[in-house]
Amino acid sequence: AQSVTQLDSQVPVFEEAPVELRCNYSSSVSVYLFWYVQYPNQGLQLLLKYLSGSTLVESINGFEAEFNKSQTSFHLRKPSVHISDTAEYFCAVSDLRDDKIIFGKGTRLHILP
Amino acid sequence: ETGVTQSPTHLIKTRGQQVTLRCSSQSGHNTVSWYQQALGQGPQFIFQYYREEENGRGNFPPRFSGLQFPNYSSELNVNALELDDSALYLCASSLIGGTNTGELFFGEGSRLTVL
Repeated sequence: AQSVTQLDSQVPVFEEAPVELRCNYSSSVSVYLFWYVQYPNQGLQLLLKYLSGSTLVESINGFEAEFNKSQTSFHLRKPSVHISDTAEYFCAVSDLRDDKIIFGKGTRLHILP
Repeated sequence: ETGVTQSPTHLIKTRGQQVTLRCSSQSGHNTVSWYQQALGQGPQFIFQYYREEENGRGNFPPRFSGLQFPNYSSELNVNALELDDSALYLCASSLIGGTNTGELFFGEGSRLTVL
């Protein structure tokens, strides 16, 4: 069975500084990988996903994540964060045999002014 | 296209009671997944329904049950409520076999408090 580990429960970062949210997964088969974001008092929404092809995927609001099969990682990065990025970020994995998605425990991104 | 809607948004129950949560899936989707999100935790997979049949289940006891209807809407039922059942219950719809395989579209959740 697959699992997801998000190593940091909270990440404080100053506005306009870069950030990396770490995610490692375990699975015995090929996987799809996702980052979902949950803004305060809202539901989860997809930020970006890796299904196949290029290992670097990007979102429309400047985030990117790189699939590293050898390190079983899918870390999320942004070169310059904004106060509006304050949210909880969840890494998730789904194996290719079904459409069930397993989530990590989340990382709370706290932007400091 | 209409998104995923859940009802009720908030509810309070007491231990031992039963609760039914409802979900209308996004137009065109054939699959509904239910997740439990305890405070400060990630969503935990409860089960998934595909074409009205259970299509996988997480580590939840049988008192958690569900239904999917012909219009692909769904219910989550929880019997004999316990204090630890207090959580945000999230419904997510998806399309098995479509181009967006794996992507879930979430509702805003039903927050259950058990006293």
